[in-house]
Amino acid sequence: EAGVTQSPTHLIKTRGQQATLRCSPISGHTSVYWYQQALGLGLQFLLWYDEGEERNRGNFPPRFSGRQFPNYSSELNVNALELEDSALYLCASSWTSQYNEQFFGPGTRLTVL
Amino acid sequence: TQLLEQSPQFLSIQEGENLTVYCNSSSVFSSLQWYRQEPGEGPVLLVTVVTGGEVKKLKRLTFQFGDARKDSSLHITAAQPGDTGLYLCAGERGSARQLTFGSGTQLTVLP
Repeated sequence: EAGVTQSPTHLIKTRGQQATLRCSPISGHTSVYWYQQALGLGLQFLLWYDEGEERNRGNFPPRFSGRQFPNYSSELNVNALELEDSALYLCASSWTSQYNEQFFGPGTRLTVL
Repeated sequence: TQLLEQSPQFLSIQEGENLTVYCNSSSVFSSLQWYRQEPGEGPVLLVTVVTGGEVKKLKRLTFQFGDARKDSSLHITAAQPGDTGLYLCAGERGSARQLTFGSGTQLTVLP
């Protein structure tokens, strides 16, 4: 069974541009989570989508947004990129179960110059 | 203030040694998970503990959930270079379906 996939692997942008990151969850998983992992820091929760709806967002500005498509894949958009947005962006998926066990993709390394 | 505090932050040991990593909080968690992350990859789920006092074993790794469900530990016996990685604990509070991650413990096992 395929795991969570993310694209692209690497993304280089300049300050002020927009970035779009994509995630395909494990088949059967309806929830998708996005995290930011800056160098030397832990995982910071960004967004949670379930059944096409945004269920919760972390303490990030509105220029971080996304959506979930009918096939449960998801997109993270970051507008007006800033240098400090450089990080590994991780997507995770989970199914509706009693415990929120999340399965992660390999991440997209975003570099803002 | 980090909701989940992990210690130590960094740990470098020789192959064959034992080690324990701690994950502490003042909050109660309905479940707690441990992940391992290698450079350039996403975290991989190792175990989920849900009952206070629960102990789970995964080969040479032993995970324990505190009686009050506020803390957890990971013990590795006879560490091997393949155990090298960033170990992360993550807790879920109530039915929020949102994980809070600790800052991680970077483990290096030297051959």
